[in-house]
Amino acid sequence: NAGVMQNPRHLVRRRGQEARLRCSPMKGHSHVYWYRQLPEEGLKFMVYLQKENIIDESGMPKERFSAEFPKEGPSILRIQQVVRGDSAAYFCASSGQGHEKLFFGSGTQLSVL
Amino acid sequence: QKEVEQNSGPLSVPEGAIASLNCTYSDRGSQSFFWYRQYSGKSPELIMSIYSNGDKEDGRFTAQLNKASQYVSLLIRDSQPSDSATYLCAVNAGNSGYSTLTFGKGTMLLVSP
Repeated sequence: NAGVMQNPRHLVRRRGQEARLRCSPMKGHSHVYWYRQLPEEGLKFMVYLQKENIIDESGMPKERFSAEFPKEGPSILRIQQVVRGDSAAYFCASSGQGHEKLFFGSGTQLSVL
Repeated sequence: QKEVEQNSGPLSVPEGAIASLNCTYSDRGSQSFFWYRQYSGKSPELIMSIYSNGDKEDGRFTAQLNKASQYVSLLIRDSQPSDSATYLCAVNAGNSGYSTLTFGKGTMLLVSP
């Protein structure tokens, strides 16, 4: 399966814990995007990364959230000291050089107790 | 602030009918337009892209774009129960060189047998 791979599929954390979400882009893609989907809300852009570089993090909260896409390995979205409002589906998408079309992974459903 | 508006629905159509889904956007500089289908609890799946005014057909799907009216639509001919899903309109401003798509909240389509 050469699609966008995300894990874990479901993640449960207690308030104050850390959440780490992983994303491996589609084969041949080097551009990774993270989106968040809150209940009854649309998908909201968070951050765009290329290998080893954050290109645009304009949609990411300034506090507690960080993202990386190392030279080797998957992209990681990290949420420190989670709060209940962080409960959402987090989707990763990747694109090729043309950028235009995004292909989404299956998402990580984060639940904060 | 860039906005994409969709009627939340649900839009109910009988099997075999034409379903018409509409979307308006606020950023007049938008260049690329996409329709994604999202089944409940699943990831968004790209079904159509359109870049220039007019119609674009792909199988049972037709996307229509009118940049002057800032309006995008998706027609689904011969609707099937398996088309029941939420349809997301997404717009890319195109001036950044990458795909920070702005999504609408989606229109739920229900196709009854």
